[in-house]
Amino acid sequence: EAAVTQSPRSKVAVTGGKVTLSCHQTNNHDYMYWYRQDTGHGLRLIHYSYVADSTEKGDIPDGYKASRPSQENFSLILELASLSQTAVYFCASSGQGRDTQYFGPGTRLLVL
Amino acid sequence: GDSVTQTEGPVTLSEGTSLTVNCSYETKQYPTLFWYVQYPGEGPQLLFKVPKANEKGSNRGFEATYNKEATSFHLQKASVQESDSAVYYCALRNNNNNAPRFGAGTKLSVKP
Repeated sequence: EAAVTQSPRSKVAVTGGKVTLSCHQTNNHDYMYWYRQDTGHGLRLIHYSYVADSTEKGDIPDGYKASRPSQENFSLILELASLSQTAVYFCASSGQGRDTQYFGPGTRLLVL
Repeated sequence: GDSVTQTEGPVTLSEGTSLTVNCSYETKQYPTLFWYVQYPGEGPQLLFKVPKANEKGSNRGFEATYNKEATSFHLQKASVQESDSAVYYCALRNNNNNAPRFGAGTKLSVKP
């Protein structure tokens, strides 16, 4: 069974502070993704990666950076957190081609 | 770019009634289409996928036909149960080095 874990599971951050969300997968998948989930918007793609040490911008990358130091790990970094970044963040992984995505349990981020 | 539009929610049904969640998509390529389901407190998980036009996918009594001419992939179930209460996402994915795109999600509540 595919396994994607995220840490922390929830976090409260202050406006202007730095936040790092981590994701780890044991699926031996090449692709990893970060999405944010907001009511009315569904899942929106922030960044993704298809190989270690390389990341790609998704549809809403502004205010976010991503890092893929290894095949297993993918981080999402908010250098200057803002109120508008309050959301639930999901990490996912998938294999090559049009393979199914496997999602982590999500991180609930509240920026005050 | 690729996009997915689906029935706006929330949708509330009584047990035993039928469900249709509309999904339409836009892409210049030949996608694989997916339906994902998300239960409260969890990440989305695959319900089923259909890689070829004019074929049908199904799982747990849900089904959808990949209609290339109409660019649609509507989710249907003949008789819903309370346990079907969840958020349903339509998604598409094209070739390698790309990332899946999701619709806004449709929240279904089934009352006993």
